[in-house]
Amino acid sequence: AQSVTQPDIHITVSEGASLELRCNYSYGATPYLFWYVQSPGQGLQLLLKYFSGDTLVQGIKGFEAEFKRSQSSFNLRKPSVHWSDAAEYFCAVGAPAGGSYIPTFGRGTSLIVHP
Amino acid sequence: DVKVTQSSRYLVKRTGEKVFLECVQDMDHENMFWYRQDPGLGLRLIYFSYDVKMKEKGDIPEGYSVSREKKERFSLILESASTNQTSMYLCASSTDFYEQYFGPGTRLTVT
Repeated sequence: AQSVTQPDIHITVSEGASLELRCNYSYGATPYLFWYVQSPGQGLQLLLKYFSGDTLVQGIKGFEAEFKRSQSSFNLRKPSVHWSDAAEYFCAVGAPAGGSYIPTFGRGTSLIVHP
Repeated sequence: DVKVTQSSRYLVKRTGEKVFLECVQDMDHENMFWYRQDPGLGLRLIYFSYDVKMKEKGDIPEGYSVSREKKERFSLILESASTNQTSMYLCASSTDFYEQYFGPGTRLTVT
């Protein structure tokens, strides 16, 4: 079965600084990969997804993520963080071949933005 | 835009009560899901449904049941609410099993 790890529980950055949130997955083939964002008191919103093709994926709100097969990673990046980016971020993996077809979510990384 | 709505944003119930959480989606999605979200534990799948009247257990189905009588509506039922079911409950729908659209969540408190 697939699994996903978000090693950082909390990340603190200053407004305007760059951001990288880490996500590592475990799966025997190329998975489907997702990043979701959850603002306080809200549901999750899809930021971006990777199914195949170009390993650098652009998403909404200025976010991007890069699939690195050799590192089993799908890290989320943003060049300049805004105060409104403060939220919980979840990485998820779906297994397209065999096994469960339900995405598995990481435990989330809480982003704190200092002015 | 896909819209997933949940019947209540906040709910307070007493131990032993039967609780219904309703979820409605407006995009004709086949698949619907119920998760609970607790600090430090992420999202845990309770039940999902891939068609009307069809349901499958997720990772933590104990103490819960579901109902899907119509394609757009997926209900989560707590037969006898307990304090350890105090949590945020999230409903989601999808056209396939991967890209999910979430409702705003229901924060349930059981006292």
